[in-house]
Amino acid sequence: EPEVTQTPSHQVTQMGQEVILRCVPISNHLYFYWYRQILGQKVEFLVSFYNNEISEKSEIFDDQFSVERPDGSNFTLKIRSTKLEDSAMYFCASSVGVYYEQYFGPGTRLTVT
Amino acid sequence: SQQGEEDPQALSIQEGENATMNCSYKTSINNLQWYRQNSGRGLVHLILIRSNEREKHSGRLRVTLDTSKKSSSLLITASRAADTASYFCATDSSNFGNEKLTFGTGTRLTIIP
Repeated sequence: EPEVTQTPSHQVTQMGQEVILRCVPISNHLYFYWYRQILGQKVEFLVSFYNNEISEKSEIFDDQFSVERPDGSNFTLKIRSTKLEDSAMYFCASSVGVYYEQYFGPGTRLTVT
Repeated sequence: SQQGEEDPQALSIQEGENATMNCSYKTSINNLQWYRQNSGRGLVHLILIRSNEREKHSGRLRVTLDTSKKSSSLLITASRAADTASYFCATDSSNFGNEKLTFGTGTRLTIIP
C-alpha cells in the first residue's frame, strides 16, 4: 500500500541553523501539506501546496519557512534560522484532491538546542 | 470549546469491551476524519465521513456524524491491546478551497489486557 515517507526521522540542530525536512508524498496525489505537533499539544496546520505553489498557510508559517517541490517526487520544508520553539514533530501529508483523505507520514522529530 | 474537541480526554477499558470517543466542532464542514497516533509516532488515517453521511463503518470502527449538533463519534468494537493509542478528529472547512485540517486535542485510549 502506498504511503508517505519522511526523512530524517530525527533531526537535531543548533539554534540559528537551517534545516530541510524531506517528504515523498504518495505518487498520484496532487495536494501536499506540512503540519507540526509540539510535544503534548495539538497537531497544527502549517501550509498546503498545490500545482507548484502555496495554496494556504497559517500564521505559524512566517518568512523563516519555505516549501518546495524540487522534482516530481520530493516535497521539502525548509526552516532558515531555527529557534528553540521550532522543536516539534513535523508531519507531511498528501491527498488526491481537496476534501479527500489526507495521509500522513511518520514524521520528523526536530530538536533545536 | 475549540474546533475539534474530543471527549473524554482519556479512556481506559478492558480488552474486548467497546470504546466510544466523541468529537465536537464549531464551524460548518465538508468532512471529518479520524486518526490514530501511537505514542510519539505518525498519524494513521482511520476513516473519513462526509457532511452528507450519517454513519460509516470500517472493520471494527463505526463513525457517526451529526451536523445539526456539530458532533461525531468513533466507536471501536471488541477492543484489543493494539488499539491503545491517541485518537484525533480533524475537520476541514466548508469554505471553498480551504483544505487545511483542524485537529482536536485527542482522546487517549488505554486497553487493559
